[in-house]
Amino acid sequence: EAQVTQNPRYLITVTGKKLTVTCSQNMNHEYMSWYRQDPGLGLRQIYYSMNVEVTDKGDVPEGYKVSRKEKRNFPLILESPSPNQTSLYFCASSLYSGGTDTQYFGPGTRLTVL
Amino acid sequence: AQKVTQAQTEISVVEKEDVTLDCVYETRDTTYYLFWYKQPPSGELVFLIRRNSFDEQNEISGRYSWNFQKSTSSFNFTITASQVVDSAVYFCALRVNTNAGKSTFGDGTTLTVKP
Repeated sequence: EAQVTQNPRYLITVTGKKLTVTCSQNMNHEYMSWYRQDPGLGLRQIYYSMNVEVTDKGDVPEGYKVSRKEKRNFPLILESPSPNQTSLYFCASSLYSGGTDTQYFGPGTRLTVL
Repeated sequence: AQKVTQAQTEISVVEKEDVTLDCVYETRDTTYYLFWYKQPPSGELVFLIRRNSFDEQNEISGRYSWNFQKSTSSFNFTITASQVVDSAVYFCALRVNTNAGKSTFGDGTTLTVKP
C-alpha cells in the first residue's frame, strides 16, 4: 500500500530534550516536506526537499533541522525543543515539486513540549 | 506570493442540509493547482480533489461537488445532504510550479453536522 508513515504518532517531551520525528514514504517520491498545523493557522511549511541531499527552508524553519540521505526518509529534528513547538506535524511527499503532483500526507505527529 | 482564504471559520448544519465551503485564492501564476483536503477528528489529512487552472469544469463526486470560477478566484466545495460523518475540518490549498513545491493552505473551515 502506497503511504507516508510517521513515528511517533504522539510524543510528550520536556524543553531542551532533543527529539527526532521520522517520516518515510514508499512511493519513490522525489519531493518531501514537513508542515506544522496550529489552531486557526492552517498548515505552514517548515522544510522541504527536492531530492536526496537537497533541502531548503520553508516558512517557519527556526528550531528545526532536517536531512535527506535516502529518497524514502525525511526525518525532522528538534535539537532543543521549546513549548512553542507544541503542534501537530505532518510529513508529505509527492512525485515532484510541480503542482500537477498531489501531495500525500502522513498521519500526523502530535507533539507536546512541556 | 500565494494566499488562500477560507472566510468561514466554523459552520454548523443539521443532517441532510446542503452546505457550501468557500475558498478564495490569490496567485500571480497563470498555471496553478487547487486542492481540497478533509481532516476528520482522527487528525489525518485526506485528499479530496485536485483541479488545475486550465480546467474550469465543475466536478461532482457522489454528494460532493466543486465549483471553480477563475473570474472570482474561487474554488468552492458543496456537500449535498450532509451526514454526521462529514463533520471535519476542511482545507483548501494552492500549489504552483514556481514555489518550490510548497502548498499554501487556508486556515480551514470546521464543519459540524448535527443529527
